[in-house]
Amino acid sequence: QVQLQESGPGLVKPSQTLSLTCTVSGGSISSGGYYWSWIRQHPGKGLEWIGYIYYSGSTYYNPSLKSRVTISVDTSKNQFSLKLSSVTAADTAVYYCARGTYSYGYNWFDPWGQGTLVTVSS
Amino acid sequence: DIQMTQSPSTLSASVGDRVTITCRASQSISSWLAWYQQKPGKAPKLLIYKASSLESGVPSRFSGSGSGTEFTLTISSLQPDDFATYYCQLRGTFGQGTKVEIK
Repeated sequence: QVQLQESGPGLVKPSQTLSLTCTVSGGSISSGGYYWSWIRQHPGKGLEWIGYIYYSGSTYYNPSLKSRVTISVDTSKNQFSLKLSSVTAADTAVYYCARGTYSYGYNWFDPWGQGTLVTVSS
Repeated sequence: DIQMTQSPSTLSASVGDRVTITCRASQSISSWLAWYQQKPGKAPKLLIYKASSLESGVPSRFSGSGSGTEFTLTISSLQPDDFATYYCQLRGTFGQGTKVEIK
């Protein structure tokens, strides 16, 4: 079955760019039909959707983060990536990648990666 | 934007209890709702999609219902493994979460 795994630095300095990669196994991003997503969870808080990318490169971002977010895809490596610029302590969170299904208004995320904690601190 | 209001925020229950969690939308969302279970230190797990479709492998004691603006997640007989936090989701918006605790 499809599995997702996040990777990247666990510590980022304020004002720098957070960069994470999600590696997909057990299925191909290029096969289409799914929207590859990033979701984060601040410590002890709820879930916040960051954005998604389709295999073609089309993206859609949370308006609240749009000015700082870039999601890209590398189909040759079966990976997609997140960049969040100008980070502050408020961006400290567990970051999850997930596969999104969107169909006629319906949307759900499954499966999810295990998540990776990113701390913003000097 | 459509707002999602989930209640209660915390629920204390005993093994064997019937548990109901509610998610209300600020406007009609047809059946576009999903439910997740999250345990501490773990990623959320999809339970229900399209408001009432049970994800493969999820125990049948979990069920979802509703359409329009009011939705419920029901656990028919709470098991020890069910103590967790539950979230509803509509597109890019998640509910605030309901923590199910041991009474």
